[in-house]
Amino acid sequence: LAKTTQPISMDSYEGQEVNITCSHNNIATNDYITWYQQFPSQGPRFIIQGYKTKVTNEVASLFIPADRKSSTLSLPRVSLSDTAVYYCLVTSNTGKLIFGQGTTLQVKP
Amino acid sequence: GAVVSQHPSWVICKSGTSVKIECRSLDFQATTMFWYRQFPKQSLMLMATSNEGSKATYEQGVEKDKFLINHASLTLSTLTVTSAHPEDSSFYICSARDNRGRTDTQYFGPGTRLTVL
Repeated sequence: LAKTTQPISMDSYEGQEVNITCSHNNIATNDYITWYQQFPSQGPRFIIQGYKTKVTNEVASLFIPADRKSSTLSLPRVSLSDTAVYYCLVTSNTGKLIFGQGTTLQVKP
Repeated sequence: GAVVSQHPSWVICKSGTSVKIECRSLDFQATTMFWYRQFPKQSLMLMATSNEGSKATYEQGVEKDKFLINHASLTLSTLTVTSAHPEDSSFYICSARDNRGRTDTQYFGPGTRLTVL
């Protein structure tokens, strides 16, 4: 299972774009990269998943370079309600997810 | 995204009793579900992998006789905490694996807060 490394915390202001980068140097050929958001006392919520290049949905974009050793979650125009912990995970063929510390994003007014 | 439910959302029990937590995938079938626990201010810790129709696979350090897992159908997995003690108090979260399409995604339940008195 590929280990992921991401910043422990980040601060931002409302309306700004936030980019959270995650490194996963040991990612395997068939692995996917998945990002989750978690609020206190709730289960993680799926944000986005990708394999390579760029993926975009209604809430975020995910950028993955050609070597796939890192990925960047981009949240456009964050609001106070985006304050949460964000987890970057690598999904292997076993399906098992090993959570790291995640990135605590604090959005300020 | 797919929806996963858990029941109950919170439970308080006396030390020595057993507690059962249900995890259901509501709009898809999941041959594999996972159970996690999370202590305050910490990340999720994988406890076990639950496979429909077979025995669960436990992570190292997790007592299989204490945390009984049953995955009797493609939409339901249960976790029973047997002879619960205060140190078992935690936030238990399940997830269901959706690998029907080209991708492989886990969807999480809302969690169950267990407090053992």
